[in-house]
Amino acid sequence: DIQMTQSPSSLSASVGDRVTITCRASQSIRSHLNWYQQKPGKAPKLLIYAASSLQSGVPSRFSGSGSGTDFTLTISSLQPEDFATYYCQQSYSSPLTFGGGTKVEIK
Amino acid sequence: QLQLQESGPGLVKPSETLSLTCTVSGDSISSSSYYWGWIRQPPGKGLEWIGTVYYSGSTYYNPSLKSRVTISEDKSKNQFSLKLTSVTAADTAVYYCASVSWDVGGNYYIDYWGQGTLVTVSS
Repeated sequence: DIQMTQSPSSLSASVGDRVTITCRASQSIRSHLNWYQQKPGKAPKLLIYAASSLQSGVPSRFSGSGSGTDFTLTISSLQPEDFATYYCQQSYSSPLTFGGGTKVEIK
Repeated sequence: QLQLQESGPGLVKPSETLSLTCTVSGDSISSSSYYWGWIRQPPGKGLEWIGTVYYSGSTYYNPSLKSRVTISEDKSKNQFSLKLTSVTAADTAVYYCASVSWDVGGNYYIDYWGQGTLVTVSS
């Protein structure tokens, strides 16, 4: 299985901050990388697919980059509704696997 | 827009079979546009992909669960289901049903999710 490692596991930030979350794959996954946002008690929500494509309806302050083994999710200006846990997920090979999550908390 | 809704028992005894159903609205599960899948999340932990089924009946399971999992479709009811046998406390989790789409590059992503249902394994 391809292992997905996210860092940091948690971070504290203020409204308006630029936030970057990193996801590293245990082998090259080309651009087969997706990002999700999950709020407490809710299902995850797709933010970014194929490493850098913004899902319809997702605010443009979210962006993704990377290919191969190293990927980043950036929130350009953190908003109150962005405090949540973020997961990366690879689909290069079966089984689909997720990162351990990054919890973004209010500073 | 797709909507998915899980249903099934919230409590299952150890060694028994966990059975959940996902009812899909907004499109037919016979559509070739989606895979239909299950993902679970133990309380306070991360996400684990269980498996998917395609309209053709083809199934793909996580090898870690493959010996215990069956995912099937009921096209007449526009539903798909999950069966997980010989459950233990480690199978306690929120179970999500979802649709899986893909892009031109062959990347698969989970675009619609059910709200999730908590299944507790306990005697």
